[in-house]
Amino acid sequence: DVKVTQSSRYLVKRTGEKVFLECVQDMDHENMFWYRQDPGLGLRLIYFSYDVKMKEKGDIPEGYSVSREKKERFSLILESASTNQTSMYLCASSPPGPRSPLHFGNGTRLTVT
Amino acid sequence: DAKTTQPNSMESNEEEPVHLPCNHSTISGTDYIHWYRQLPSQGPEYVIHGLTSNVNNRMASLAIAEDRKSSTLILHRATLRDAAVYYCILRVNYGGATNKLIFGTGTLLAVQP
Repeated sequence: DVKVTQSSRYLVKRTGEKVFLECVQDMDHENMFWYRQDPGLGLRLIYFSYDVKMKEKGDIPEGYSVSREKKERFSLILESASTNQTSMYLCASSPPGPRSPLHFGNGTRLTVT
Repeated sequence: DAKTTQPNSMESNEEEPVHLPCNHSTISGTDYIHWYRQLPSQGPEYVIHGLTSNVNNRMASLAIAEDRKSSTLILHRATLRDAAVYYCILRVNYGGATNKLIFGTGTLLAVQP
């Protein structure tokens, strides 16, 4: 079974802190994604990556950056956390192609105080 | 970007069939229709996908309208474990290695014993 592991289940950070959310997948997938999920807004795509060192902005990239130095790892970075970034963050991976399903981790619930 | 429209919520009784509708009137010819579901406190999980023909797997069936502007996820016998948020998504194919899933807010399915 594909496993997508997010490093933390719950995280509490202060406003202005630099925050790293880590995601690792074990199936050699080319594509990796970061979404955030908020009540009433569903899942929104922040960034995705289709290869090592390659990235593309999703629908809401402002305030975030990403890093993909190795194929199995995709990091989401909040350069200066703000309270409006309090959310559930979900990482996913998939092979290339529109028929390929996404495999999600169980999420990191980030609270910025 | 192609969007989907789903009812906010539906109810079903245990062991009865459930038909979850989705409208995607702006679908293009190369977009695949994917369904995911999200159980409480978990990341979304893949259910099924299709392009033009109806599809069956061990979890569900997918019925796609002839004009592809709508589809229906069919759970043949609902169980309490099927209570979840169901997302209908178009996997947009930009060509090459990149493609992304755009999620809406989904349908919250309640299953009554």
